[in-house]
Amino acid sequence: RKEVEQDPGPFNVPEGATVAFNCTYSNSASQSFFWYRQDCRKEPKLLMSVYSSGNEDGRFTAQLNRASQYISLLIRDSKLSDSATYLCVVIPERSYIPTFGRGTSLIVHP
Amino acid sequence: DTGVSQNPRHKITKRGQNVTFRCDPISEHNRLYWYRQTLGQGPEFLTYFQNEAQLEKSRLLSDRFSAERPKGSFSTLEIQRTEQGDSAMYLCASSPDRAGSNEQFFGPGTRLTVL
Repeated sequence: RKEVEQDPGPFNVPEGATVAFNCTYSNSASQSFFWYRQDCRKEPKLLMSVYSSGNEDGRFTAQLNRASQYISLLIRDSKLSDSATYLCVVIPERSYIPTFGRGTSLIVHP
Repeated sequence: DTGVSQNPRHKITKRGQNVTFRCDPISEHNRLYWYRQTLGQGPEFLTYFQNEAQLEKSRLLSDRFSAERPKGSFSTLEIQRTEQGDSAMYLCASSPDRAGSNEQFFGPGTRLTVL
């Protein structure tokens, strides 16, 4: 089993739709969780950290479920500019080494 | 521009040649990472520096790969006797050494093509 697993998609959604991605991780000692966004042929950039209590940033909501070992990203009111690959990142406790998922591709169409 | 920079941006080489890439991190960042990314995959960890010390190296990393960060500032990644399977995007990232801060700032990458 891979350490961090994501459905590669692509998820094709119309503008204004709500879309959700999940990411599962295998190391129960994982401590830090993030979502990164990567545009085509660009470098990854931090979208948001994922906190135990869940967190929201505008149209984006991230949640962590430690019992089931997954994190989720919800995007509301999708925009064309949200089209990108969303990478899930997990870091074990007492480590600075992140493990990236393969990414989930989102395509928002008019 | 005070972000992470990488040079060259593109490198085409013939199989068996050696190549070297450079990464200049954000100046106040102590941690520096090298990753490899292929199409349809996420970045794969290669190695990690805390200042000039190389603290972790992926077990998947062939002994043809070596990295240095001699003065704790810029870093170089060398690949000896390149193979076609080395073709990938090589990403560098830096991170501040602050408690609770694990955000990574990536450079634009060096795209390597081995013919």
